[in-house]
Amino acid sequence: DMKVTQMPRYLIKRMGENVLLECGQDMSHETMYWYRQDPGLGLQLIYISYDVDSNSEGDIPKGYRVSRKKREHFSLILDSAKTNQTSVYFCASSLSPGSGNTLYFGEGSRLIVV
Amino acid sequence: GDSVTQTEGLVTLTEGLPVMLNCTYQTIYSNPFLFWYVHYLNESPRLLLKSSTDNKRTEHQGFHATLHKSSSSFHLQKSSAQLSDSALYYCALRRGGLSGKLTFGEGTQVTVIS
Repeated sequence: DMKVTQMPRYLIKRMGENVLLECGQDMSHETMYWYRQDPGLGLQLIYISYDVDSNSEGDIPKGYRVSRKKREHFSLILDSAKTNQTSVYFCASSLSPGSGNTLYFGEGSRLIVV
Repeated sequence: GDSVTQTEGLVTLTEGLPVMLNCTYQTIYSNPFLFWYVHYLNESPRLLLKSSTDNKRTEHQGFHATLHKSSSSFHLQKSSAQLSDSALYYCALRRGGLSGKLTFGEGTQVTVIS
């Protein structure tokens, strides 16, 4: 079954705390992504990973870092969370970075920073 | 960099009437791939349709779109809206080659009423 799984689905953190969002996929896809979704801004790319330990910044990487030690697993880390990082975060994967390849999304992780 | 513009943020439609969601893009690359993703409430965003062929109509699930490179547009249309079409619709662009990066528009929230 083709699936992208995100954990946790909901998270409330205090400002300054560390946050770990985890994402797994069972399709052996090379490429994985982290996006955040905000009303009126759409989906903004935080990081893209082309394979294990091959990560590149997206459009809004500041305040985030990522880790990909296994092809099927991609983590998003917020060191010292800020209130403006309150958002819904989506992980996605695609077979390869080729232009026509479809992105498969997880169900999202809703983070509230207070 | 690349950009995608969706001019309507919120659209309310009456069931049975036609739907048209606007999407225009900017990129320096001559062979972009354009996508429409749909995000139903409490589900994952998923692909609705995609195209990289100029002036060719692409159809899926009653929706259709035609990529017009001359006007940098990829508008989404449906002849008759259904209540189940209520969702958030994203237009997205991926440049040719292997950059992998998918750039999304701001999204259009569609509500269909009876």
